Amino acid sequence: EIVLTQSPATLSLSPGERATLSCRASQSVSSYLAWYQQKPGQAPRLLMYNAITRATGIPARFSASGTGTDFTLTISSLDPEDFAVYYCQHRSIWPFTFGGGTKVEIK
Amino acid sequence: QVQLQESGPGLVKPSETLSLTCNVSGGSISSSFWSWIRQPPGKRLEWLGYISFSGSTNYNPSLKSRLTISIDTSRHHFSLRLSSVTAADTAVYYCATYDHSNFLAYWGQGTLVTVSS
Repeated sequence: EIVLTQSPATLSLSPGERATLSCRASQSVSSYLAWYQQKPGQAPRLLMYNAITRATGIPARFSASGTGTDFTLTISSLDPEDFAVYYCQHRSIWPFTFGGGTKVEIK
Repeated sequence: QVQLQESGPGLVKPSETLSLTCNVSGGSISSSFWSWIRQPPGKRLEWLGYISFSGSTNYNPSLKSRLTISIDTSRHHFSLRLSSVTAADTAVYYCATYDHSNFLAYWGQGTLVTVSS
């Protein structure tokens, strides 16, 4: 199965700062990659899909890039509601898998 | 807007079968693919498997021999059965489905299932 490795595990930043999260795949997933946000006690929320496309209702401060094995999620200016755990997930070949997550915490 | 709601026992004994149902509302169950995902405490999300509206399934190889996913379109729900459970199956179990993106846009709230005697 394809392993997704996210880095860093934890990102300590202040509101208004820029966040850059990385997701690396053990083999190419083309552009079949999504990013999710999860807050404590809640289900994940789809942020980005097909590597670069914002999901419905997602603010423009979220952007993403990448293809193949290396992907990046960027939050241009952290809002207090953005402090959460972020997961990447591919749907290239079955089984579809998730990364281990990056926790964005308030510094 | 599709809404999903998991239901089932919160406690299952080791070696027994874990059974959950996901009720679908606000959209048609007779389309798309319907998935089960779990998240053990402190661990990453794991996609267990999915079923199409027509009943074809795909299971994670790590669970294939123990997992059954079924669908009842007349009752607007799909179900998960996981046999021979151990403590390692303790997790929050989510049901979820795609939107036009072909990624998981709709999720249930999740239900914690603990495997313990």
